[in-house]
Amino acid sequence: DSGVTQTPKHLITATGQRVTLRCSPRSGDLSVYWYQQSLDQGLQFLIQYYNGEERAKGNILERFSAQQFPDLHSELNLSSLELGDSALYFCASSVAPAGGLETQYFGPGTRLLVL
Amino acid sequence: QQQVKQSPQSLIVQKGGISIINCAYENTAFDYFPWYQQFPGKGPALLIAIRPDVSEKKEGRFTISFNKSAKQFSLHIMDSQPGDSATYFCAASPYSGGYQKVTFGTGTKLQVIP
Repeated sequence: DSGVTQTPKHLITATGQRVTLRCSPRSGDLSVYWYQQSLDQGLQFLIQYYNGEERAKGNILERFSAQQFPDLHSELNLSSLELGDSALYFCASSVAPAGGLETQYFGPGTRLLVL
Repeated sequence: QQQVKQSPQSLIVQKGGISIINCAYENTAFDYFPWYQQFPGKGPALLIAIRPDVSEKKEGRFTISFNKSAKQFSLHIMDSQPGDSATYFCAASPYSGGYQKVTFGTGTKLQVIP
């Protein structure tokens, strides 16, 4: 158990809908990362927050947005969902965003299925 | 330039054998190279990591070999066990810059057969 929690575990929704994925980082970790894992794309970095502020952006679509709240939990909002958005979404956390041998601890993921 | 190319996509090894997974990168700004292990239904977990100031790092049965001039690195699993069956991801990131943006390889699904 990494100490990172994600809810829900599974989510089934329809095209065009909007969903919110939630992540609670490990106690003491200030940095949260979101990743998308699909069969054909592997693990893709989406976005990183540190202590409430956006720090890095990866391959995140404009239909997707995220935020980190004062209690450090984070939410990933996916809107106007398409079939291709079906994937595993992972949240990871680390102590700090600074360069260095930062270990990222991954949550168990949320499996999203768009029908 | 941000890609990390990983091979093979899948690997079947007999118990007791050596599993070898290779990765290559282009971006010379990368100087931190972690490997992650992912079991089915779980998130990836850090297995071992290396910086390019050393050519090899060993932790138990797991060894990373690093060739800076070729921009290649590899994971060797000695005496592979059925419990090692998982998907392995290599990754790379800059070591500095105020934030970490990790680029992952596409993963290698390892199956160790008894």
